[in-house]
Amino acid sequence: DAMVIQNPRYQVTQFGKPVTLSCSQTLNHNVMYWYQQKSSQAPKLLFHYYDKDFNNEADTPDNFQSRRPNTSFCFLDIRSPGLGDAAMYLCATSRETGVPEQYFGPGTRLTVT
Amino acid sequence: RKEVEQDPGPFNVPEGATVAFNCTYSNSASQSFFWYRQDCRKEPKLLMSVYSSGNEDGRFTAQLNRASQYISLLIRDSKLSDSATYLCAVARSNDYKLSFGAGTTVTVRA
Repeated sequence: DAMVIQNPRYQVTQFGKPVTLSCSQTLNHNVMYWYQQKSSQAPKLLFHYYDKDFNNEADTPDNFQSRRPNTSFCFLDIRSPGLGDAAMYLCATSRETGVPEQYFGPGTRLTVT
Repeated sequence: RKEVEQDPGPFNVPEGATVAFNCTYSNSASQSFFWYRQDCRKEPKLLMSVYSSGNEDGRFTAQLNRASQYISLLIRDSKLSDSATYLCAVARSNDYKLSFGAGTTVTVRA
């Protein structure tokens, strides 16, 4: 099945130790998104790529970076994780601009110790 | 004011009951609306798109009220498997980004 895949599903990192989360998709969608979701809260958009064009949300901390080396893969780098960065990180895709339906991967649950 | 607001619930209903809840949005330019279902500690999954006045998919009916800026979701003949959090998402016409609500939790009991 075509899908959005995230690895790892669970990640434990130490305070201040860089961590990278990965997302891949077999949908061949042009747009990829990274969201942060904390318990009982709405998913919060961190940034997205339309093809190779990177779009950062205004309130996304500099601590969060992203790379999209090709259509299929996208990475989220957290340079110096803090305790407040513990959350579920969701990758999503959409086919094209103007087609807003988004399809989510299973998420990576990040714990910061 | 948040862009998208939902009653968090929980809505506790018996099997077979009908449950309905709303989602309000603040941007009158919003054009596309969606309901996602999210199970505990899982990812949101697209349940329904709401493009015009509303639509129906089996036991699920979504309605859009542009004048009052809200969408609703109605679940008929509730099943135990309908227990989940339902997220509302809103997109603007000039922007393919979605704004999500925090979700409404529905618990269906036997």
